[in-house]
Amino acid sequence: DTEVTQTPKHLVMGMTNKKSLKCEQHMGHRAMYWYKQKAKKPPELMFVYSYEKLSINESVPSRFSPECPNSSLLNLHLHALQPEDSALYLCASSQLRPDYEQYFGPGTRLTVT
Amino acid sequence: QKEVEQNSGPLSVPEGAIASLNCTYSDRGSQSFFWYRQYSGKSPELIMSIYSNGDKEDGRFTAQLNKASQYVSLLIRDSQPSDSATYLCAVSTGTGNTGKLIFGQGTTLQVKP
Repeated sequence: DTEVTQTPKHLVMGMTNKKSLKCEQHMGHRAMYWYKQKAKKPPELMFVYSYEKLSINESVPSRFSPECPNSSLLNLHLHALQPEDSALYLCASSQLRPDYEQYFGPGTRLTVT
Repeated sequence: QKEVEQNSGPLSVPEGAIASLNCTYSDRGSQSFFWYRQYSGKSPELIMSIYSNGDKEDGRFTAQLNKASQYVSLLIRDSQPSDSATYLCAVSTGTGNTGKLIFGQGTTLQVKP
């Protein structure tokens, strides 16, 4: 089973709202990722968690706050977003060795108004 | 700056033909190479991974890797209209405990009936 689930599928939020995106995997993967994807662009890495610890932050603004409560769950907390943050947010997971194959969830389509 | 280059296309092939998608990368330390398929509005789906020089076949798909030339390709035999999508080449150095992927810009494939 190579399934990664994400909720919600769609989210509309105002610039003063606080919301959270959720991701779950049951493949026993020890790395989880958040990506942002704008239209007609490749996914852009935001954060990497390895063994539930943040290992990479790609200089993401602090209005995005990741959390990894356990090895199966990954959250992305959103606060005071800007309209330019509207995008498809993708979660992925992988083993760390030997192959690093990343499997993506279906994504959350975020619109900031 | 580590880079992955793809021709953005669109690449148009008739149904039943072979589609050839190409990718070059700049980091000689790269160890893992992936092809993802992404339908419009959907998330990327892993279709092939390759780690050593040569060819790897899976059904109608063949991935080819040449590390000396820093080149990876994807061949799709007997192309079907359902293969019409954007194909993303991704490269991972996979060092330490991170599986950071560098994506190319993607090649749009159109298979015409």
